Amino acid sequence: EVQLVESGGGLVQPGGSLRLSCVVSGFTFRDYNFNWVRQAPGKGLEWIAYISTSNSIFYADSVQGRVTISRDNAKSSLYLQMSSLRAEDTALYFCARQKATIRGPYYYYYMDIWGKGTTVTVSS
Amino acid sequence: DIQVTQSPASLSASVGDRVTITCRSTQNIDIYLNWYQHKPGKAPRLLIYAASTLQSGVPSRFSGSGSGTDFILTISSLQPEDFATYYCQQTVRIPRTFGQGTKLEIK
Repeated sequence: EVQLVESGGGLVQPGGSLRLSCVVSGFTFRDYNFNWVRQAPGKGLEWIAYISTSNSIFYADSVQGRVTISRDNAKSSLYLQMSSLRAEDTALYFCARQKATIRGPYYYYYMDIWGKGTTVTVSS
Repeated sequence: DIQVTQSPASLSASVGDRVTITCRSTQNIDIYLNWYQHKPGKAPRLLIYAASTLQSGVPSRFSGSGSGTDFILTISSLQPEDFATYYCQQTVRIPRTFGQGTKLEIK
């Protein structure tokens, strides 16, 4: 079964750090690009980070400089190291596999498989 | 950044109804537009990619259309399991922004 399972969330004080993990199964991890997406309480989805198979990395401005996305192909795992956490980082964090459909010279990207998320709460 | 705006923000409908949700971007995004369904406690589900391509396993009552700046998600005949929140997302540029969501509720 194709599956992504996030872990590592919890309660952390403002200014603290946390490392989220996403373990995948059912497909070859090293062949895919991945994203982290979050959902603050009562809010919509927010894309925050991307990593390619060749470790090209992009971040949303809201987390740039405070989070680091990484991957370990040997462990079929994706990570999000979060530091200098703020109350506004309180959210449900999802990992998502990225695929693309190719039409001529164009690549149309989409997130086809998602985990159920892990909750991060930043509060004193 | 490219902004995508969905309307309506919420919608009440009955089983069997035809429903449309719109998504408008601030720039021309060609067909770099996806639609997702999300229910509380569940993983988000991809419905439509590249504006109109139905993801494998998604019922044919879901369809997408549009290009450029204006897009539509249509559910032809609502089923009980369709009550959820729907999001569009543009993928032409980083950051890959989502719309604010449309909550579809039972009337």
